[in-house]
Amino acid sequence: AQSVTQPDIHITVSEGASLELRCNYSYGATPYLFWYVQSPGQGLQLLLKYFSGDTLVQGIKGFEAEFKRSQSSFNLRKPSVHWSDAAEYFCAVGAHSGTYKYIFGTGTRLKVLA
Amino acid sequence: GAGVSQTPSNKVTEKGKYVELRCDPISGHTALYWYRQSLGQGPEFLIYFQGTGAADDSGLPNDRFFAVRPEGSVSTLKIQRTERGDSAVYLCASSPGTSLNNEQFFGPGTRLTVL
Repeated sequence: AQSVTQPDIHITVSEGASLELRCNYSYGATPYLFWYVQSPGQGLQLLLKYFSGDTLVQGIKGFEAEFKRSQSSFNLRKPSVHWSDAAEYFCAVGAHSGTYKYIFGTGTRLKVLA
Repeated sequence: GAGVSQTPSNKVTEKGKYVELRCDPISGHTALYWYRQSLGQGPEFLIYFQGTGAADDSGLPNDRFFAVRPEGSVSTLKIQRTERGDSAVYLCASSPGTSLNNEQFFGPGTRLTVL
């Protein structure tokens, strides 16, 4: 069965520091992978997605993610974090076994220190 | 253009009551999804509509949950005989097509509290 694991429940970084959020997936075929951000009281916003091709994907707000098939990972990175990046981040895999639902990880809550 | 909207934003009800949660998708989007997000968890798939029909309802937890989309646009998630365990944020998403290439756009959610 498809699954997504985000090993870090909470991460705290200082403003200006680099960030990496981990995501591991389990999926039998080539995965469709997504990172979403959820700010308090806001809906989920797509940061970036990977379908095929270049394994380094650029997204909005200066985020990028790298797909590594050998490690079943799709980690999210940002070189310099801003205070406004404090939010919850969700990794998801798209399952296309007859339907088109997303399977989400449990999320990583990011705290940014001034 | 408007995004996905959901009403109400908050709903408080008593155990055993019936509730309806509404989702207005982005105009022209044929696919509509319902997810449930419990505290400290990621969203979990409930049901997916393609047009008016429920193409996949495998995520509905039991027969107290039902959803409709009679005209292929607005959808209503209905919960009968609510239980405290139903308390969660219910998210709706819409997509312009039925391929995973098509991004799902999420609404702000309805926070349901069952007392």
